[in-house]
Amino acid sequence: LAKTTQPISMDSYEGQEVNITCSHNNIATNDYITWYQQFPSQGPRFIIQGYKTKVTNEVASLFIPADRKSSTLSLPRVSLSDTAVYYCLVGLGPGGSYIPTFGRGTSLIVHP
Amino acid sequence: GAVVSQHPSRVICKSGTSVKIECRSLDFQATTMFWYRQFPKKSLMLMATSNEGSKATYEQGVEKDKFLINHASLTLSTLTVTSAHPEDSSFYICSARGGTSGNTGAQYFGPGTRLTVL
Repeated sequence: LAKTTQPISMDSYEGQEVNITCSHNNIATNDYITWYQQFPSQGPRFIIQGYKTKVTNEVASLFIPADRKSSTLSLPRVSLSDTAVYYCLVGLGPGGSYIPTFGRGTSLIVHP
Repeated sequence: GAVVSQHPSRVICKSGTSVKIECRSLDFQATTMFWYRQFPKKSLMLMATSNEGSKATYEQGVEKDKFLINHASLTLSTLTVTSAHPEDSSFYICSARGGTSGNTGAQYFGPGTRLTVL
């Protein structure tokens, strides 16, 4: 059973900001939330990781509310090359074991 | 930093043969490595978790005698698909976890290996 839930697909246009939300209702107290981007026939690429509040790097921001039951990946001013599948990942299970199972991910299509 | 390589990137083999895929963490020591397989337009499916020097832990439904995993060092893990059959054709991806300062335990993924069994 996947630990995360995301929208299956999203559409956007070049230059827009895209926000993808992931639900992880049963996240462990000391677990981190990690987001990945995957292009066809490539391994997932690390985008950003956070524990709480807000994290920003050169490509994205990650917003995590106080209850940590969800997180939102924000991609500013997307381009066509941002068309990809985006996954959020939480890994800690009962007892503290790390079992990183992926959910279905969100297929983002950026239109001209 | 945090680069993971896989070799080969693509392999085609005949049914019944065995295929070995290597996964290396190039600039950090991976305390744990993971192997996934992915079918077209599907999500990654975790096959097994391996820690250096110990036996791999396989997910339910994954045959350990068919998918042999060896994690010989902190930078190398191998996946051997034994007696491969056409249904084993898939995209295999490894990932590594653990590493340099600032790494809070994130996994970093290899580029994947496309296996085609004829």
